[in-house]
Amino acid sequence: SQKIEQNSEALNIQEGKTATLTCNYTNYSPAYLQWYRQDPGRGPVFLLLIRENEKEKRKERLKVTFDTTLKQSLFHITASQPADSATYLCAPSGGFKTIFGAGTRLFVKA
Amino acid sequence: DADVTQTPRNRITKTGKRIMLECSQTKGHDRMYWYRQDPGLGLRLIYYSFDVKDINKGEISDGYSVSRQAQAKFSLSLESAIPNQTALYFCATKSSGTETQYFGPGTRLLVL
Repeated sequence: SQKIEQNSEALNIQEGKTATLTCNYTNYSPAYLQWYRQDPGRGPVFLLLIRENEKEKRKERLKVTFDTTLKQSLFHITASQPADSATYLCAPSGGFKTIFGAGTRLFVKA
Repeated sequence: DADVTQTPRNRITKTGKRIMLECSQTKGHDRMYWYRQDPGLGLRLIYYSFDVKDINKGEISDGYSVSRQAQAKFSLSLESAIPNQTALYFCATKSSGTETQYFGPGTRLLVL
């Protein structure tokens, strides 16, 4: 069955550093890879989408890579801030289907 | 006003009761989804609807039913609630031909 793996342990980093979150998927060949942010008690909010033919996508302090050979996406937040503290969900999608990972909790310390 | 709204935001009910969760959207999207979220698990798809006359089961539809009353409204019902249906429920919308989903604020359900 299709499986999405994100670091289940929380990631703790210092303000100003780069946070890197990993998403691995198996038994799936998504055409797109999306990342969402979720704050406690709230619905996920879309951040970025990268297509299978794109290696890298950037938006302000965010960068996403998509390696279809490794079946992996990396999500980077540069110059991280305490306001970036949240859970980040990986969501491979395509062919009428989107599968959401359980997310990685990020804590940015001031 | 929020584009995707859910009511109620919180609900406590007893085992065996029938309850309905409602979702409305003003985004004009044709596709709507119901998910549940449990601690440590990803969002799991309960039902989805591509339009008013097209409703499909997701991976965990047992014990749930839905109704798409209009393009803008999609309701989820628990016919006879049980404690393991205690979870956070999210409605989401999407426009066909795009990938991004827009989520409501969620309904926190507790079944005693």
